[in-house]
Amino acid sequence: QKEVEQNSGPLSVPEGAIASLNCTYSDRGSQSFFWYRQYSGKSPELIMSIYSNGDKEDGRFTAQLNKASQYVSLLIRDSQPSDSATYLCAVNMFRTNAGKSTFGDGTTLTVKP
Amino acid sequence: EAGVAQSPRYKIIEKRQSVAFWCNPISGHATLYWYQQILGQGPKLLIQFQNNGVVDDSQLPKDRFSAERLKGVDSTLKIQPAKLEDSAVYLCASSLGTGVYGYTFGSGTRLTVV
Repeated sequence: QKEVEQNSGPLSVPEGAIASLNCTYSDRGSQSFFWYRQYSGKSPELIMSIYSNGDKEDGRFTAQLNKASQYVSLLIRDSQPSDSATYLCAVNMFRTNAGKSTFGDGTTLTVKP
Repeated sequence: EAGVAQSPRYKIIEKRQSVAFWCNPISGHATLYWYQQILGQGPKLLIQFQNNGVVDDSQLPKDRFSAERLKGVDSTLKIQPAKLEDSAVYLCASSLGTGVYGYTFGSGTRLTVV
């Protein structure tokens, strides 16, 4: 079992729809959770961080965290073609990785005009 | 604020040759990381520095990889000798610290070993 697992994708949604990206993690003691966006041929860019159970909204992006289920998700509302990218989930696992980020393999999102 | 600087952007070498990558983190960021990203995978940690000391190099293939961070600022990652499986993007990232901070990544170095 991978420490951080994401839907393999690819995920395709029409422009204006809601895109839902999911991530599960193995270390129950994890405290910090991040979403990065990576355009093809570019480096990852931090777009969201979340530390407490519940929802955190930033513009069209909402991160959701459920520590009991060891689950974190990213919702993108009113998806735009410019949102087409690979989205990486990263978890700071204190028990297994001393607080450094462990990344999932990413989910590739395509938003079709 | 200036970002994380990395060079070179691309490098093609033959197997068994050596190569070095350079990184300058964001000013004030004490923590510096080198990650390896193979196509289609997420970044995998190679080494973490806190100021000029190594915090974690457990995932670094020390028979061929080495890294240093002189004076707690910029860092160099070296591969000698390179193998075909080292073909990847090498990402440098910096953060204010560990635990609750996300990372700022540099533009990466795409290495192709032929």
